[in-house]
Amino acid sequence: KAGVTQTPRYLIKTRGQQVTLSCSPISGHRSVSWYQQTPGQGLQFLFEYFSETQRNKGNFPGRFSGRQFSNSRSEMNVSTLELGDSALYLCASSLDRVFSGNTIYFGEGSWLTVV
Amino acid sequence: GDSVTQMEGPVTLSEEAFLTINCTYTATGYPSLFWYVQYPGEGLQLLLKATKADDKGSNKGFEATYRKETTSFHLEKGSVQVSDSAVYFCALGAVIQGAQKLVFGQGTRLTINP
Repeated sequence: KAGVTQTPRYLIKTRGQQVTLSCSPISGHRSVSWYQQTPGQGLQFLFEYFSETQRNKGNFPGRFSGRQFSNSRSEMNVSTLELGDSALYLCASSLDRVFSGNTIYFGEGSWLTVV
Repeated sequence: GDSVTQMEGPVTLSEEAFLTINCTYTATGYPSLFWYVQYPGEGLQLLLKATKADDKGSNKGFEATYRKETTSFHLEKGSVQVSDSAVYFCALGAVIQGAQKLVFGQGTRLTINP
């Protein structure tokens, strides 16, 4: 079955612009989460969506937002881009919550460069 | 809060050498533990997992045992190959403040020379 699909894979934006990234989870998976990966900060949790509700958000400013649709697909948006937002943004999906023993699967990521 | 500390890299080994990458964690509950691998330019791939104490996860010759008494989940492989060169991440998974999340270590870059 298809894995986690993220689009676009690569994009370049200018400071001050906004960007929307898309994620299609594995079929049947209800939890979608987003992570930011940078060389300096490593992998950091952005937010998780489950049943179309944001469950929590990591330590990121309000410029970072997201949503989940009824088919579990998710989008994240970053407004007023800053140079420091340049990163690999990873989407992950799982069938249910991890404490039930389910596995979290990652997509290939969206590489964002802000110039 | 919950955290993961893993062995700093980079680690360079010769082919067929024995590999250990240390990982320890701090958690308030009983998390699941994972090792993920990242190849250049790619996302994260699950390597193995363990969901409770004394569980052993294994895959592609890699093994790790969930040790609650030492709060560790060290990754081992008896004989590494050039194709194992990648960045390895140890992570704990739990529901933290209402959200299912993974908390990652800083990653260990592994290079295997022929």
